[in-house]
Amino acid sequence: ETGVTQSPTHLIKTRGQQVTLRCSSQSGHNTVSWYQQALGQGPQFIFQYYREEENGRGNFPPRFSGLQFPNYSSELNVNALELDDSALYLCASSLGLARTDTQYFGPGTRLTVL
Amino acid sequence: AQSVTQPDIHITVSEGASLELRCNYSYGATPYLFWYVQSPGQGLQLLLKYFSGDTLVQGIKGFEAEFKRSQSSFNLRKPSVHWSDAAEYFCAVAQYSGGGADGLTFGKGTHLIIQP
Repeated sequence: ETGVTQSPTHLIKTRGQQVTLRCSSQSGHNTVSWYQQALGQGPQFIFQYYREEENGRGNFPPRFSGLQFPNYSSELNVNALELDDSALYLCASSLGLARTDTQYFGPGTRLTVL
Repeated sequence: AQSVTQPDIHITVSEGASLELRCNYSYGATPYLFWYVQSPGQGLQLLLKYFSGDTLVQGIKGFEAEFKRSQSSFNLRKPSVHWSDAAEYFCAVAQYSGGGADGLTFGKGTHLIIQP
């Protein structure tokens, strides 16, 4: 069974640019959540996708957007990058939407904005 | 809004000694609680979870946690730590909206240092 994978591992961008991060969910999982983890902090919920639709969103501006594809893989897009967007971006997949459905995390993408 | 507090930013424990990491939550309904561990450069690995039933839950790697509703706490324990337990530990509560689960709210984490 393949776990959650993310690409790329590291990324360096400059302020104002746009970035796309990718996530492949664990086999059989139809729900993907994205989190931002700033240095020294706990992860913060960005949004969640269920069967290709955004299901919930945390306190992040609209320049953070996402997609989920029919195979349940997902993308996180961030426009107009700011210095504070530098963080580890984590993707997590789960079987469904129930609170009892455990979220399994990928290794993350480290984004640096200069 | 729900929140999770981990009062200890750093904890240092000698190898072989017992460990307790504290977690307090604020949540109106029955909380669904989790402990995750993050090693340097790694994603998060689930140690254990509590949904209902027995308030003492067992997890992987010899960890356990006890849910105490009266104290709004979900502390993580291990009777004897190993050097490989050095990592960042996060307590989390599952958010819930009318449409279903809505992400996890994490504490800021506790950095565990193991002394030889």
